[in-house]
Amino acid sequence: DAKTTQPPSMDCAEGRAANLPCNHSTISGNEYVYWYRQIHSQGPQYIIHGLKNNETNEMASLIITEDRKSSTLILPHATLRDTAVYYCIVPPRNFGNEKLTFGTGTRLTIIP
Amino acid sequence: EAQVTQNPRYLITVTGKKLTVTCSQNMNHEYMSWYRQDPGLGLRQIYYSMNVEVTDKGDVPEGYKVSRKEKRNFPLILESPSPNQTSLYFCASSHGPNWETQYFGPGTRLLVL
Repeated sequence: DAKTTQPPSMDCAEGRAANLPCNHSTISGNEYVYWYRQIHSQGPQYIIHGLKNNETNEMASLIITEDRKSSTLILPHATLRDTAVYYCIVPPRNFGNEKLTFGTGTRLTIIP
Repeated sequence: EAQVTQNPRYLITVTGKKLTVTCSQNMNHEYMSWYRQDPGLGLRQIYYSMNVEVTDKGDVPEGYKVSRKEKRNFPLILESPSPNQTSLYFCASSHGPNWETQYFGPGTRLLVL
């Protein structure tokens, strides 16, 4: 499965856009990029996913580069409740290799 | 309400005393998985199941067992718990193949003395 690399931590001012990067240079052509977040010690929560086109939903936007080797999750107007650990993952799609690796994510702190 | 439930939420036990953490989902999902989370190590997959009677090891399966006799349930069994299994455990389920959107349970915090 494609390995992802994220910065360990980031800060963002409340009300500003939070841009969280993720590198996935070994991604295969049919593998999606998923983003989850975990607030304190709660169960992780799905945010958004995409294949190659940019995606937007009520929570966030996902920008995937044309070569698909990296992506950016954008929280357009960050609030204090967005303080969490954000995980970028690329689930495997080849039969016989279904293990899923989450990694350590990016700890995003929203500053008042 | 669509949800994944885990029981118990908190558990303190002693080394060697067998325990089971239950996980149940009401979404008719085929895929279920167990993770443990430790400080600085992120979420690590213990075991996963692609359907009834189909289970396989994740990244850290040592010391754990699972079973999938029914689609909705995926219990995690610690036959002889040790202190290094003190951790926060999450169960998750997803509908389709290839780990489509996962739904996580609230977590079980386990302390092994």
